[in-house]
Amino acid sequence: GIQVEQSPPDLILQEGANSTLRCNFSDSVNNLQWFHQNPWGQLINLFYIPSGTKQNGRLSATTVATERYSLLYISSSQTTDSGVYFCAGSRGGADGLTFGKGTHLIIQP
Amino acid sequence: GAVVSQHPSWVICKSGTSVKIECRSLDFQATTMFWYRQFPKQSLMLMATSNEGSKATYEQGVEKDKFLINHASLTLSTLTVTSAHPEDSSFYICSARPPVSFNYGYTFGSGTRLTVV
Repeated sequence: GIQVEQSPPDLILQEGANSTLRCNFSDSVNNLQWFHQNPWGQLINLFYIPSGTKQNGRLSATTVATERYSLLYISSSQTTDSGVYFCAGSRGGADGLTFGKGTHLIIQP
Repeated sequence: GAVVSQHPSWVICKSGTSVKIECRSLDFQATTMFWYRQFPKQSLMLMATSNEGSKATYEQGVEKDKFLINHASLTLSTLTVTSAHPEDSSFYICSARPPVSFNYGYTFGSGTRLTVV
């Protein structure tokens, strides 16, 4: 199956800093998403981005499908950005997502 | 759009009893739904794929007789943890893939935290 590698595993930043999270895939995926898991366990869908670049406020993501990686950018970090960020992918829509191990982000005031 | 509802949010049950978790797609039909399990401080692991009108497909190492899945309609899948034991305590979360026209990717329920005592 697909292997998903996320980096860094942990990241501690001061409020206002920028960060880049990376996700590498062992094989090509046709579906790729970034999630933020809140303290109650809810997965918040940040981006559906099998290829290209998308932006939503202070967050943006870029996927280079030919090189099998994706990046999540967080600018001007706020304490509410703290939590675990997951990337996940699948080959087809009938396949379940394979998740990376996540990046645990802590934003300090 | 693309909402998946999951109930209950949390449940505590006694060892040896069974627990049923429901997953509903509210604004789209889903012939396929997915069930994941997440242990504390770990990632989500796919347990099984639920197929409407046919048997579920289980990932390697997942006991099909312990985790019964029923996909009775195009909007409802249920996961029953049978003869639960403390080691089954975990966070269970379901997912579905809306039609491509939603351009949304997979959407997830809010999860069920199961504690077996």
